[in-house]
Amino acid sequence: SQTIHQWPATLVQPVGSPLSLECTVEGTSNPNLYWYRQAAGRGLQLLFYSVGIGQISSEVPQNLSASRPQDRQFILSSKKLLLSDSGFYLCAWSLEVGQPQHFGDGTRLSIL
Amino acid sequence: AQSVTQLGSHVSVSEGALVLLRCNYSSSVPPYLFWYVQYPNQGLQLLLKYTTGATLVKGINGFEAEFKKSETSFHLTKPSAHMSDAAEYFCAVSDRGAGNMLTFGGGTRLMVKP
Repeated sequence: SQTIHQWPATLVQPVGSPLSLECTVEGTSNPNLYWYRQAAGRGLQLLFYSVGIGQISSEVPQNLSASRPQDRQFILSSKKLLLSDSGFYLCAWSLEVGQPQHFGDGTRLSIL
Repeated sequence: AQSVTQLGSHVSVSEGALVLLRCNYSSSVPPYLFWYVQYPNQGLQLLLKYTTGATLVKGINGFEAEFKKSETSFHLTKPSAHMSDAAEYFCAVSDRGAGNMLTFGGGTRLMVKP
């Protein structure tokens, strides 16, 4: 069966520091991969998605970037964090159209 | 472009009462529809999905939803609420395009009173 792993579960970072969040999927090949952010008390905002290795689409201009160095690995990065980057970050995967997206357990990011 | 509207950002019911969470969508193509549940500090968990076929869809934890094309709705129901149902619920529609993107509603927080 397929599983998705996200780490770390929580992270506290100072303003201006770099960021790297990692997501890996097991048990499937060539998944679509997604990064979402949830600000406190708000809905889901799609940040990036990827349909294959090295293929990244950005949905919202921001201080973040994403990379997909391997088929089942998706990384969210920032060179310098802003206070507004605080939130709950979720990674997800899916296969073909019509199939649901499956979510990881999320990373709670707090910026001080 | 798709859109999803969830009426009521907060819904409160008594334990044992009917749960009804409303979802209306707009889509230029026949929709694929999903309901997810999110417990505090966790990811989203799929409750149920509609793609084709029977319009009444049964999911996990006793939830079900009915696709009504004429009303562009996909409301989520459960006959009897449990305390453990207290969570955030999200309705989503697929754009059927490459990448299998989902458009999510704003979410409804369900509170269950003892």
